[in-house]
Amino acid sequence: GIQVEQSPPDLILQEGANSTLRCNFSDSVNNLQWFHQNPWGQLINLFYIPSGTKQNGRLSATTVATERYSLLYISSSQTTDSGVYFCALGSSNTGKLIFGQGTTLQVKP
Amino acid sequence: DTAVSQTPKYLVTQMGNDKSIKCEQNLGHDTMYWYKQDSKKFLKIMFSYNNKELIINETVPNRFSPKSPDKAHLNLHINSLELGDSAVYFCAVQNRFRDYEQYFGPGTRLTVT
Repeated sequence: GIQVEQSPPDLILQEGANSTLRCNFSDSVNNLQWFHQNPWGQLINLFYIPSGTKQNGRLSATTVATERYSLLYISSSQTTDSGVYFCALGSSNTGKLIFGQGTTLQVKP
Repeated sequence: DTAVSQTPKYLVTQMGNDKSIKCEQNLGHDTMYWYKQDSKKFLKIMFSYNNKELIINETVPNRFSPKSPDKAHLNLHINSLELGDSAVYFCAVQNRFRDYEQYFGPGTRLTVT
């Protein structure tokens, strides 16, 4: 089946630092999404990015579909960025999302 | 207005009971999903419905029965609850104008004692 692997599993940053989260996947991509699960458990859509590069404020994402990876960049991190970041690949047949195991980010003040 | 809503947000119940979780969306899309997040934060698909028709059933025990009374609702009924059913359950909606992009509800934390 489709494999989605994220790295690193855990990340601790000082406020103001930058970071890069990686998502590798084993199949061709029709849909790739990045989510942030905040400490209250809510899953927040960050990017819908099957290919190319997008930016939203301090966050940006790049997906290189031919090489089967996606990157999420967080610049000038803030304590509110803490939580778990998930990458999810959409199945081309059913549309279901297959999630990676997540990267747990802690930003310290 | 919340695009995808779930009720209740928290549910604590005893083993053997039957419970339901409700999901409603006001986005007008046809395809809805249920996902389960376990204690290790792993998220996995359970069911998918398209226009009230079951599309995906990911080897979920038949104690779990989704029901879609109309396109805007996808409810999850669980019979004979077990300790291992404790998890967070998320409802999601697929954007039919943007292939497979999904939006998630706030989740329902189910605790079985």
